[in-house]
Amino acid sequence: SQKIEQNSEALNIQEGKTATLTCNYTNYSPAYLQWYRQDPGRGPVFLLLIRENEKEKRKERLKVTFDTTLKQSLFHITASQPADSATYLCALRPSGSARQLTFGSGTQLTVLP
Amino acid sequence: NAGVTQTPKFQVLKTGQSMTLQCAQDMNHEYMSWYRQDPGMGLRLIHYSVGAGITDQGEVPNGYNVSRSTTEDFPLRLLSAAPSQTSVYFCASSSHGQGARETQYFGPGTRLLVL
Repeated sequence: SQKIEQNSEALNIQEGKTATLTCNYTNYSPAYLQWYRQDPGRGPVFLLLIRENEKEKRKERLKVTFDTTLKQSLFHITASQPADSATYLCALRPSGSARQLTFGSGTQLTVLP
Repeated sequence: NAGVTQTPKFQVLKTGQSMTLQCAQDMNHEYMSWYRQDPGMGLRLIHYSVGAGITDQGEVPNGYNVSRSTTEDFPLRLLSAAPSQTSVYFCASSSHGQGARETQYFGPGTRLLVL
């Protein structure tokens, strides 16, 4: 069966450290993978998109990698700040789909001051 | 631009009642979709539309209807509410372009409680 799994429900790290979140998928052929941030009581907000033929994408303190052999994406936040505390969702668009995204259940990140 | 707006923010229904969740976007996006979010299960696609007059089912369509008479609006109808439909509902939109234009913009959500 098709699955998208994010490595853990909750991750606590110290301010200034690098947070690394994992997204694994099985039985998908992805066109691309996206990462979203969701704050309590709000809708998800898009952060980064990485295509299946790309290895790495960066945006300011954010970096995403994509390994189609391992079927895994890693999401890194460098020099983390308490304001980065949120739930982070990965979402995969299968090849051939119109725009349908399949989401992981999310990882709740808490950056401790 | 207001982006994606949803009404109501919160609703309580009794089992068997019907209601419509409203969604509107002012970005002229062709693609719109409805998701539900339940604890531990992530966002699941209910229905989506690739343009006015065109809709299709997602992963969990049972108990819900949609229509798309205009580019801006994409209402979600609950035909006969059940406690299993207690959830947070998100509407999203995106354009048909490539790359950054494939970003999905989400509304603030509607919290629905079915008693």
